[in-house]
Amino acid sequence: DIVMTQTPLSSPVTLGQPASISCRSSQSLLHSDGNTYLSWLQQRPGQPPRLLIYNISNRFSGVPDRFNGSGAGTDFTLKINRVEAEDVGVYCCMQSTQFPRTFGQGTKLEIK
Amino acid sequence: EVQLLESGGALVQPGGSLRLSCAVSGFTFSTYPMTWVRQAPGKGLEWVSAIGSGGSGTYYADSVKGRFTISRDNSRNMLYLQMNSLRAEDTAVYYCARHGATPRDFDYWGLGTLVTVSS
Repeated sequence: DIVMTQTPLSSPVTLGQPASISCRSSQSLLHSDGNTYLSWLQQRPGQPPRLLIYNISNRFSGVPDRFNGSGAGTDFTLKINRVEAEDVGVYCCMQSTQFPRTFGQGTKLEIK
Repeated sequence: EVQLLESGGALVQPGGSLRLSCAVSGFTFSTYPMTWVRQAPGKGLEWVSAIGSGGSGTYYADSVKGRFTISRDNSRNMLYLQMNSLRAEDTAVYYCARHGATPRDFDYWGLGTLVTVSS
């Protein structure tokens, strides 16, 4: 199975400041079809997960442009420009290159 | 509007069975693969099972293989998860999710249904 490792596990951020979360996979997520199936999910307290980013850097419908994904191969990053109060929650990376699909442990974003 | 609504979660004894349902609306269900993902209390997300749009291709996590069965009824816009031989470690909120644009990502999620396995 592909292991997804996120850092940090907790990220206290000041409102209006940027935040960055890293995700590393135990093997390359580059699929034979040329795509890299790495997505980012947000889970606000008491809510189900919500898709933010797919295929490394594509923002899902309705996701604010302050959320940006980047990376390649085994190293990926989610950056939030100017954190807002509504961004509080847990952020999780997920790989769907191989079965079983696997998730990172989650990074808790909180406001200082 | 895309909507997914899970039901069927309950308190069940170890070794028991349960069937979860996911009712969908707002999209052409028969053209989308679907997935079940679970989340144990206070823990991260764990992928459980997936099914192709026509129902022929099914995939399972090793932790549930042989005990859980995913199925769908495209005429009723319903997704199911039959869970047998339940164990304490199956205790979790179970979410159904639609496969998205790629279609390997999960773009819409239900609110979840809680399964508790305990004597």
